[in-house]
Amino acid sequence: AQTVTQSQPEMSVQEAETVTLSCTYDTSESNYYLFWYKQPPSRQMILVIRQEAYKQQNATENRFSVNFQKAAKSFSLKISDSQLGDTAMYFCAFMKGIQGAQKLVFGQGTRLTINP
Amino acid sequence: GAVVSQHPSWVICKSGTSVKIECRSLDFQATTMFWYRQFPKQSLMLMATSNEGSKATYEQGVEKDKFLINHASLTLSTLTVTSAHPEDSSFYICSARSNQPQHFGDGTRLSIL
Repeated sequence: AQTVTQSQPEMSVQEAETVTLSCTYDTSESNYYLFWYKQPPSRQMILVIRQEAYKQQNATENRFSVNFQKAAKSFSLKISDSQLGDTAMYFCAFMKGIQGAQKLVFGQGTRLTINP
Repeated sequence: GAVVSQHPSWVICKSGTSVKIECRSLDFQATTMFWYRQFPKQSLMLMATSNEGSKATYEQGVEKDKFLINHASLTLSTLTVTSAHPEDSSFYICSARSNQPQHFGDGTRLSIL
C-alpha cells in the first residue's frame, strides 16, 4: 500500500519569505501522480499543483513550485514570496493513475502560517 | 474549472435522525465520486468510492449500513448518515472526478446533538 508522509506538522514564516514543505512517499508503482492541496480556514480543498511521475521537469504554478526527486521518493513544495492568503493546511497526496477509481492517498498535513 | 457543489454546508440535527448530504458535479460528468471524513486538525479519511450506477466500495472500518451512498447519475452522489449519533459529528467532504484531477466540494459540517 502507498503511504505519504509529511514530517512537518506546523510551519511559520514571515510574509514575502520563501518556505518549503516536505513530503515523502512510498510506492512500488512506476507511473503515478503527486499533488499538493491547500485547505484554508474555509476548509475548501484547493488543488495547488500536480506532478506526473513520468515527467522529469518539476511542475510550476506562479509562486508555487515542486522539487520532485523520484529516486528519493520526495515531493516538496516551495512557496515563493509568501502571502497572508497562503495561510492554510497543506496536504501532499499520491495517486496511482488518473483513470477510473484510483484513490488519493493523503499525508497528515502541514499547517502553514504566514505572519505579517 | 471543474466545480463540485456540496449541500448542505452545515447541518445540526437530533440524535437518531438521518441526514442526507448531496454532492453534484456542475460542469462535468463524474464517473467516480469519493466521500471523505475529516476530524479537527487531521487529514482527510476516505470513507468510500462510488461509481455511477454501481454499489459503493467502502474502506475498511466504515459501516456501510450507517453511511449509505448512492450514485444514481453522473452528476449526483448522496451520502446518508442513518440514525446519527454524536460520534458521527464531523466534517464530510465529497470529491468528483472524470478524466482529470479530483475536485472537491466545500464540505458539510455535521453536528449531532
